[in-house]
Amino acid sequence: DVKVTQSSRYLVKRTGEKVFLECVQDMDHENMFWYRQDPGLGLRLIYFSYDVKMKEKGDIPEGYSVSREKKERFSLILESASTNQTSMYLCASSSPPGEQFFGPGTRLTVL
Amino acid sequence: LAKTTQPISMDSYEGQEVNITCSHNNIATNDYITWYQQFPSQGPRFIIQGYKTKVTNEVASLFIPADRKSSTLSLPRVSLSDTAVYYCLVAGMFSGGYNKLIFGAGTRLAVHP
Repeated sequence: DVKVTQSSRYLVKRTGEKVFLECVQDMDHENMFWYRQDPGLGLRLIYFSYDVKMKEKGDIPEGYSVSREKKERFSLILESASTNQTSMYLCASSSPPGEQFFGPGTRLTVL
Repeated sequence: LAKTTQPISMDSYEGQEVNITCSHNNIATNDYITWYQQFPSQGPRFIIQGYKTKVTNEVASLFIPADRKSSTLSLPRVSLSDTAVYYCLVAGMFSGGYNKLIFGAGTRLAVHP
């Protein structure tokens, strides 16, 4: 069974902290994605990667960075967390043009 | 700026056919249309994908007119378990991966007994 796992389901951090969200996929997919999901706004793409060490900005990259050192792992980094980054974060992987497989999400609260 | 628009919510009853339409006026030649289903506390799950005309699988059909500026997800004979949020995605492809990934805001479908 295909799987995308995310390091935490729930996370509470304080303003200014550095936050790492990790995502691992076991399908040998080239592409990996980070989205944030907010009520009424749907899913918005933060960053994606189409190969190891490659990254592309999505629609809302400000305040975020990513790292992809291995094919199966894609990390989202909040350098200095702010309250407006409180959200649900979803990771996905795919082999284009096929379907994206999503992880269960991490609900991040920044106090 | 490319955008996908879909109804915020819909209601239906068990056994009925449900059609959810997504508008994507600025779709480009190399863009695909994909629909996802999401239950609470879960990530979205793939339903169906198409480029043009009609695509059918075991759970849904996808209708795309010739101008491709909209698409309609059709769920035959819905049940209570189809209550979920449905997202339309327009994705642009190139040889290395994607150059566009635009989700709609989602349609909350409620199926009633």
